[in-house]
Formats: sequence, structure tokens, C-alpha cells
Amino acid sequence: KNEVEQSPQNLTAQEGEFITINCSYSVGISALHWLQQHPGGGIVSLFMLSSGKKKHGRLIATINIQEKHSSLHITASHPRDSAVYICAVETSGSRLTFGEGTQLTVNP
Amino acid sequence: SAVISQKPSRDICQRGTSLTIQCQVDSQVTMMFWYRQQPGQSLTLIATANQGSEATYESGFVIDKFPISRPNLTFSTLTVSNMSPEDSSIYLCSAGLASDTQYFGPGTRLTVL
Repeated sequence: KNEVEQSPQNLTAQEGEFITINCSYSVGISALHWLQQHPGGGIVSLFMLSSGKKKHGRLIATINIQEKHSSLHITASHPRDSAVYICAVETSGSRLTFGEGTQLTVNP
Repeated sequence: SAVISQKPSRDICQRGTSLTIQCQVDSQVTMMFWYRQQPGQSLTLIATANQGSEATYESGFVIDKFPISRPNLTFSTLTVSNMSPEDSSIYLCSAGLASDTQYFGPGTRLTVL
């Protein structure tokens, strides 16, 4: 079993839909990261969370430390949101362990 | 925040040769990391590049295959040695600022023939 599990692996939505991507982990962490990777390979950090909830524009990330679970929500999805979304947990020494990623496709 | 650049952005190499990838950060950082992303897979940590000491390698990665330098707080290199087609991947560096998120370089796309 991977230390970081994401679901779903693939997600197709229509423009405007509300999207949720889930992440569960099995190790003790100091923080959880949500990352976005576009087809060219570049990675953008969306959120770093250690508790509660954060919001940037249409993106919302939540974490429940007791349940070892985090969710990334996208409101009013748009085709430009199409990308791979990766959950990563930070353990000792700022090391990151990554989930497999969720491929999101938003159709117009 | 931090801006990270990598060189080269991509390369095609012959089996048995070596390639050195450079990672430059626009501010001083304590921790720098090197990751590999094989085709269709997520990222795997290769090693943590420590300034002033040897890199710390993850299980499955060794210094002879992936020597790393960290001469100062803004720069690091990763060499992929004696390459084989299985080394074809995207190689990314990242840097962490204290109490801040991690920043990633744009990646180096390596193809080994």
C-alpha cells in the first residue's frame, strides 16, 4: 500500500462543475502539499497545509489531521484547470512523498 | 517566494554517456531536492542536496549513479551517469524555504537512446 493514495486517478468534468480530488496518507506528516503539473512537466505548488482549510481563488484545500485525509476542491471548473493534480506529504527534513496524481480533464 | 531554473530543459543522450543537470535558485535555501519522474508515473525523491556535506540518497539511488554537488546555497547539480534507456525521465529539482512551500524547477526531460 502506498503511503499516499489519491482518488480518483482520472476525472473528466464539464466546464462549470464542482470538482473534488481526495488524498489519504498513512504516515505522520508535518505538512501536506497540493501540486499542479501541466503537460509540459512544470510543477506549480498550489497549497501547503498543516491544518484546517485554505482558499486561493476557485481552489479550496482542506485537511483533517486526525483522519489523515485531505481534499482539493475546484469551483466553477474551466478547461484551463485541466492538469495532473498531485498530493504530497512532507515528513522529516522537508522530504516529500507523492501520490500517483489525478488527471483532470475539463471539457468546454 | 523562490524562482528556480534548470539547465538543460531537455536532452537526448546516447547509452553509456553522462549528463549533468544544473539547478539555480534565486535566493539562498537550506534544502534542495532532486526528483525523478518516469513516464506515466509520479515523482520519486532521488536525494537531498546538503550544502557543505554529502547528499543524502533515498533507497534505490546511489552516489555512483547520481552524483550530486551543492557548492553553495543557491546552486546544485545532478549527474546521471552511464545512462541507459531506463534513465529516460523528467528530472526536477526543488527548494524549500523555511515555513514555506516547496518550489520546483521546470524540469529536465531526458531521453536516452
